[in-house]
Amino acid sequence: GAGVSQSPSNKVTEKGKDVELRCDPISGHTALYWYRQSLGQGLEFLIYFQGNSAPDKSGLPSDRFSAERTGGSVSTLTIQRTQQEDSAVYLCASSLDSMNTEAFFGQGTRLTVV
Amino acid sequence: AQTVTQSQPEMSVQEAETVTLSCTYDTSESNYYLFWYKQPPSRQMILVIRQEAYKQQNATENRFSVNFQKAAKSFSLKISDSQLGDTAMYFCAFMKHPGNQFYFGTGTSLTVIP
Repeated sequence: GAGVSQSPSNKVTEKGKDVELRCDPISGHTALYWYRQSLGQGLEFLIYFQGNSAPDKSGLPSDRFSAERTGGSVSTLTIQRTQQEDSAVYLCASSLDSMNTEAFFGQGTRLTVV
Repeated sequence: AQTVTQSQPEMSVQEAETVTLSCTYDTSESNYYLFWYKQPPSRQMILVIRQEAYKQQNATENRFSVNFQKAAKSFSLKISDSQLGDTAMYFCAFMKHPGNQFYFGTGTSLTVIP
């Protein structure tokens, strides 16, 4: 595609429910990042995928958060048993590879937990 | 650990004037990149300018330029001839090279006043 695509654009969910957020990176990009942006805050690193290497999960805030990247392309971020503090914008970005620092961001998914 | 500090939460500038956004960082890495990203209300992060730490010459992209002071670990962004479309959040970011995550500051909200 022309850019990084994220879906849904907005998601409202009830506390305790599970949610899945999707990211379609730019075709051919092997590096993929997930970030969380809480209201009035900067961007918090969550997870990084690079090709077939084991992902860097060091930023995931709890075991309720997980992410997969199937076939080296589409990625899904899953939040189980959502809490109100999970409300944030979740941003995905991709870059050509780990040596290329130009990352392209999607428009994010705004998650609201009520 | 890497940290990025933006000490100006909000700034404003008259249209056609020049404004400078401040950023300082802390790292023990010798090879890294610094970035300024713009986030308009659409939420999509857009790369404004990028600086390689080993390059002494300050990066320039049209109306945007940086003042990179490596010894002082300072990386400010100057916007010349400000335009209404420059109104956005601006984030300073750091990435060691090669690296697997961006470290972002908390952002500066810039408003261009007509």
